[in-house]
Amino acid sequence: DAGITQSPRHKVTETGTPVTLRCHQTENHRYMYWYRQDPGHGLRLIHYSYGVKDTDKGEVSDGYSVSRSKTEDFLLTLESATSSQTSVYFCAISDLRGGNTIYFGEGSWLTVV
Amino acid sequence: DAKTTQPPSMDCAEGRAANLPCNHSTISGNEYVYWYRQIHSQGPQYIIHGLKNNETNEMASLIITEDRKSSTLILPHATLRDTAVYYCIAVAGGTSYGKLTFGQGTILTVHP
Repeated sequence: DAGITQSPRHKVTETGTPVTLRCHQTENHRYMYWYRQDPGHGLRLIHYSYGVKDTDKGEVSDGYSVSRSKTEDFLLTLESATSSQTSVYFCAISDLRGGNTIYFGEGSWLTVV
Repeated sequence: DAKTTQPPSMDCAEGRAANLPCNHSTISGNEYVYWYRQIHSQGPQYIIHGLKNNETNEMASLIITEDRKSSTLILPHATLRDTAVYYCIAVAGGTSYGKLTFGQGTILTVHP
């Protein structure tokens, strides 16, 4: 399995509190992504990073911020969690050179009450 | 962005070949097509990828049209364990190079 871990794997938090999810990789891949998945929906891109301190928005970026201060870590922050952000969050990594495989983490289940 | 379009659902009998189509008409010339699948709420699992030529591995075959505007994932002998959501991904080019966007996927149901 690819060296990618997400933490925490499960979290329950209250509306209005800040939450940070961490994605850690040991593959030294350039690209890292955060997706969310809601029941009955496909994966939707929140933010992605194409290098240290280089990030860009995805299709559902409102209410989320990210940071990547080093290659191995990509943090997703909900500044003030809302119930609509209850979801499963997946991190992914890739190198995208020569068709390198994209690896996904096992997911972080976040419940905002 | 390179968008992909897939049928929302398909059925297949166990032991028969499952052929899952994907349209990616805006894919850039040097970008790859990836196929993943997701079982329940697990992390998506890599199946296969390709650029121009047809590809085959132990899990599946990938057929890409000559104009690269569409592809077909083939599971040669589907089993009940192949029931999953299958995603076709096309890599965006230009300033969004590396930006991966998933479509809605195809729910494949393999029945006895």
